[in-house]
Amino acid sequence: TQLLEQSPQFLSIQEGENLTVYCNSSSVFSSLQWYRQEPGEGPVLLVTVVTGGEVKKLKRLTFQFGDARKDSSLHITAAQPGDTGLYLCAGLTGANNLFFGTGTRLTVIP
Amino acid sequence: DVKVTQSSRYLVKRTGEKVFLECVQDMDHENMFWYRQDPGLGLRLIYFSYDVKMKEKGDIPEGYSVSREKKERFSLILESASTNQTSMYLCASSSLLGGTGTGTYNEQFFGPGTRLTVL
Repeated sequence: TQLLEQSPQFLSIQEGENLTVYCNSSSVFSSLQWYRQEPGEGPVLLVTVVTGGEVKKLKRLTFQFGDARKDSSLHITAAQPGDTGLYLCAGLTGANNLFFGTGTRLTVIP
Repeated sequence: DVKVTQSSRYLVKRTGEKVFLECVQDMDHENMFWYRQDPGLGLRLIYFSYDVKMKEKGDIPEGYSVSREKKERFSLILESASTNQTSMYLCASSSLLGGTGTGTYNEQFFGPGTRLTVL
């Protein structure tokens, strides 16, 4: 089993603050995905990063894939209450198996 | 609007009962997956299927079986439910590169989940 550890597990911040969520593994992945899951719903894909060192931006969200393709980060600028949810990273192996991280539950307080 | 639907949002069963969880997707996807989601453990893969009547074990298949008789439908079966199977169950589907259906390669589309409680 490929282990993807996310930190922090829980994060509660005020609206307008910045935050970073980390996704770490000792395994190398061919690509890495980030999903967001809102209460009562299934996860929804936000972004896929493929190249080591790649940075992708989605409005206030910035995703980075580590140079060695073992880790990733998600940075949110000026968090909004609508950003509240469970953030999951998922790494794709060379054998096309997708392994999900342990999750970070974010709460943005108005 | 693409959709993955699951037969129940909430289910309460007793220990030893046989439980069926149904999942249907309308995207003509080849791949379908069953996960369970527990706090602090993320999503763990139970079984997946890449074609009709085909199935592969995931990371935690013990105590579960699956059935895929039609492309759009993937069922998870708990032959004899136990309390340690109380969890949120998520179904997902994805397409193959160059295959039919919507979505980019390996993007998984999830259903809303079934919260199963075994008493």
